[in-house]
Amino acid sequence: GAGVSQSPSNKVTEKGKDVELRCDPISGHTALYWYRQSLGQGLEFLIYFQGNSAPDKSGLPSDRFSAERTGGSVSTLTIQRTQQEDSAVYLCASSRGGGSTGELFFGEGSRLTVL
Amino acid sequence: SQQGEEDPQALSIQEGENATMNCSYKTSINNLQWYRQNSGRGLVHLILIRSNEREKHSGRLRVTLDTSKKSSSLLITASRAADTASYFCATGNTGFQKLVFGTGTRLLVSP
Repeated sequence: GAGVSQSPSNKVTEKGKDVELRCDPISGHTALYWYRQSLGQGLEFLIYFQGNSAPDKSGLPSDRFSAERTGGSVSTLTIQRTQQEDSAVYLCASSRGGGSTGELFFGEGSRLTVL
Repeated sequence: SQQGEEDPQALSIQEGENATMNCSYKTSINNLQWYRQNSGRGLVHLILIRSNEREKHSGRLRVTLDTSKKSSSLLITASRAADTASYFCATGNTGFQKLVFGTGTRLLVSP
């Protein structure tokens, strides 16, 4: 497809389990972002990848969160030892270049529920 | 912490009326963007205004930017029920690449 693809769309897990969320950006987009959105709230920045540069991880809330981007394309966000407060929608976005110069294209998000 | 704050948090109007949402931010910016989010879905880009621009139009949308006041407004004219959504402003800070989003305005347009 032509858009940003995220999977799974919904994930229910038990507290303490690890989860992986996947993002397939638009082909050719060098920038990739992960945001988190709690119910009825705004978007919380998590991590930003730009080309081959070191990612900006300044938004990751704890060391239980990590993300990688393989081959400059697909990205995986991993949450280890999930907690109930991790429940949220995780949104991925990509753009042609740095976000300060262009629009972001968002996926539909992965809704995570931690029981 | 989030850069932008939208005002009001919620807005309820009738079809045909205009809707105005405001965004305030804290630091120097390269550009400011507005996005729309329908319930439970991803965000869609509406319009981008650069720091050296003061006003921009796109269809029924009008965006203004006042860098001296660190604020922006989004005006939707002749609103429709289909405009019901949450609207977010996002700022690209000078020297940084990431976009920082505000808290959003929930707009309800009643038929």
